Amino acid sequence: QSVLTQPPSVSGAPGQTVTISCTGSSSNIGAGFDVHWYQQLPGTAPKLLIYGNSNRPSGVPDRFSGSKSGTSASLAITGLQAEDEADYYCQSYDTSLSVVVFGGGTKLTVL
Amino acid sequence: QVQLQESGPGLVKPSETLSLTCTVSGGSISSYSWSWSWIRQPPGKGLEWIGFIYYSGSTNYNPSLKSRVTILVDTSKNQFSLKLTSVTAADTAVYYCARRSSGSYDYWGQGTLVTVSS
Repeated sequence: QSVLTQPPSVSGAPGQTVTISCTGSSSNIGAGFDVHWYQQLPGTAPKLLIYGNSNRPSGVPDRFSGSKSGTSASLAITGLQAEDEADYYCQSYDTSLSVVVFGGGTKLTVL
Repeated sequence: QVQLQESGPGLVKPSETLSLTCTVSGGSISSYSWSWSWIRQPPGKGLEWIGFIYYSGSTNYNPSLKSRVTILVDTSKNQFSLKLTSVTAADTAVYYCARRSSGSYDYWGQGTLVTVSS
């Protein structure tokens, strides 16, 4: 049971928009800690996709965007492409547990 | 371009100690701008944070692993290491080293699979 809750899977057709939620609590996201998002392609290491809730590292397409509100955060992917098929993880910090926390991951399937 | 590379045995016997090293290239490990972390991923499962270290040697560990984990840094070799004692099959995972910058992990190693088995 992850401290940050993500849907196990989402899917969408090419060109569509999907949103992946990350729900936390008052001791992590709700406490003001930043949320970061990672993309993990099969058999590879995670790659930083969004940092500081809504910032994209250099090289990440603007089809990817992040937002945060209250105790939750979201990752939106617009104009879905086949290459976006991957696992996506959110990450923050939990002050009650004193740990870096990850969501359980969401598998994105491009139909 | 910063690169991280994990190295160490891929097979460890139950009750023994898992030891891994992460070599950082393309940048110095000696900066308080970032910390250096270990993160693991059991086969088919999600990511678990193990802990991080600053170049000064200051550490922060996951409480669930704290009694078994030691992370050390060797600034002369631009490396940091992980030791996990008394391993069981539950410690079988891909182990990643990563650089932590302002709370996020911006550079990752490719990961190394460590299997605990007799």
